[in-house]
Amino acid sequence: QVQLQQSGAELAKPGSSVKISCKASGYTFTSYYISWIKQTTGQGLEYIGYINTGSGGTNYNEKFKGKATLTVDKSSSTAFMQLSSLTPDDSAVYYCAREGYGGDYFDYWGQGVMVTVSS
Amino acid sequence: DVVLTQTPSILSATIGQSVSISCRSSQSLLDSDGNTYLYWFLQRPGQSPQRLIYLVSNLGSGVPNRFSGSGSGTDFTLKISGVEAEDLGVYYCMQATHAPNTFGAGTKLELK
Repeated sequence: QVQLQQSGAELAKPGSSVKISCKASGYTFTSYYISWIKQTTGQGLEYIGYINTGSGGTNYNEKFKGKATLTVDKSSSTAFMQLSSLTPDDSAVYYCAREGYGGDYFDYWGQGVMVTVSS
Repeated sequence: DVVLTQTPSILSATIGQSVSISCRSSQSLLDSDGNTYLYWFLQRPGQSPQRLIYLVSNLGSGVPNRFSGSGSGTDFTLKISGVEAEDLGVYYCMQATHAPNTFGAGTKLELK
């Protein structure tokens, strides 16, 4: 069965970086893009961007350029998102989701990673 | 960015009642390729969002057929024909026609 297993919760200090992972199983990893979504109580759901798991090409929401960096390791079927120069506004739950072709988007989601930025 | 306005923000229903949620877009979601990239998700308490509907009216795999989606252009509706207890949670619409993808603010479905 298709699964996206995300890494554990993170507690980080302002100004630092975190790198969270999304390990895929149950399907051909490179046949689907991986997208990342941020969820906060105040801003709701926000789309960060996606990575083409085959080529490594990326596409970012302008709002998250410079904040998020998406990478992939095909050998382990894992996608990563690094968040840099963290501020309290980056405290959120971050989800990865599978993105197919022809509109078949977001059919599977990871369980989410809570990132807390606090001194 | 495209703004999606969901109404109502809170919906109280009894088990077995049929309900509808509206999602209105600030721009037409009809893409030049002929598709309309409008989606519906349900987020149960403590869980990740789950896709219900894709491309306006296509039922996701394993999603009960009491859920249905309709609409075109800027106006879309999710209907639940006979609410069940497992349907409680927050419903979101999302568009992927215009970059960046954007989500509605959500509709909380609760028991009356």
